[in-house]
Amino acid sequence: DAKTTQPNSMESNEEEPVHLPCNHSTISGTDYIHWYRQLPSQGPEYVIHGLTSNVNNRMASLAIAEDRKSSTLILHRATLRDAAVYYCILKDSGAGSYQLTFGKGTKLSVIP
Amino acid sequence: EPEVTQTPSHQVTQMGQEVILRCVPISNHLYFYWYRQILGQKVEFLVSFYNNEISEKSEIFDDQFSVERPDGSNFTLKIRSTKLEDSAMYFCASSGLAGVGGADTQYFGPGTRLTVL
Repeated sequence: DAKTTQPNSMESNEEEPVHLPCNHSTISGTDYIHWYRQLPSQGPEYVIHGLTSNVNNRMASLAIAEDRKSSTLILHRATLRDAAVYYCILKDSGAGSYQLTFGKGTKLSVIP
Repeated sequence: EPEVTQTPSHQVTQMGQEVILRCVPISNHLYFYWYRQILGQKVEFLVSFYNNEISEKSEIFDDQFSVERPDGSNFTLKIRSTKLEDSAMYFCASSGLAGVGGADTQYFGPGTRLTVL
């Protein structure tokens, strides 16, 4: 899987929007962009994914650059429960590709 | 909402002993996975399982490890002779029909903390 680059950590005030960036300059045309998060002492949790177009779901929004070399996970209103490590992962659409390759992610702290 | 469950939540064992970690994936899922996370480190893929056979495994998944789906609901990870370095959180995950492919999403359990003394 192609590599992603994320900041090690970010801070946000509670109830404010958060924009978590991810660079993936070597992304291939068949790579999906996935975001997972891991709350303290819990297993990873799926957040959102997309291919080319921006995506919205009940948890977050995903903004994908036109050249697909970067993306941004948007939490519209951070809560204390959103404090977690956020992982940006590229997933190949090719046959035989099953695993998720986790990096170090971005540790998001939410300040009350 | 359906969820992946894992038992036990914490397992303590002596070095050299066999352990079996158990998982109940989401009922209509067909693809199953094990990952591990050593304290303070990244989540690492171990193995994926589909149609009663291993579909992909990492270098970590050596002969000491095995997986099995003994019935229609459980998915197990066995470590035959545990080592100190096997101490980690072990996460089970499952995914639905999309399984292979970029759009596949995996659902993780809460993990089993394995401590090898």
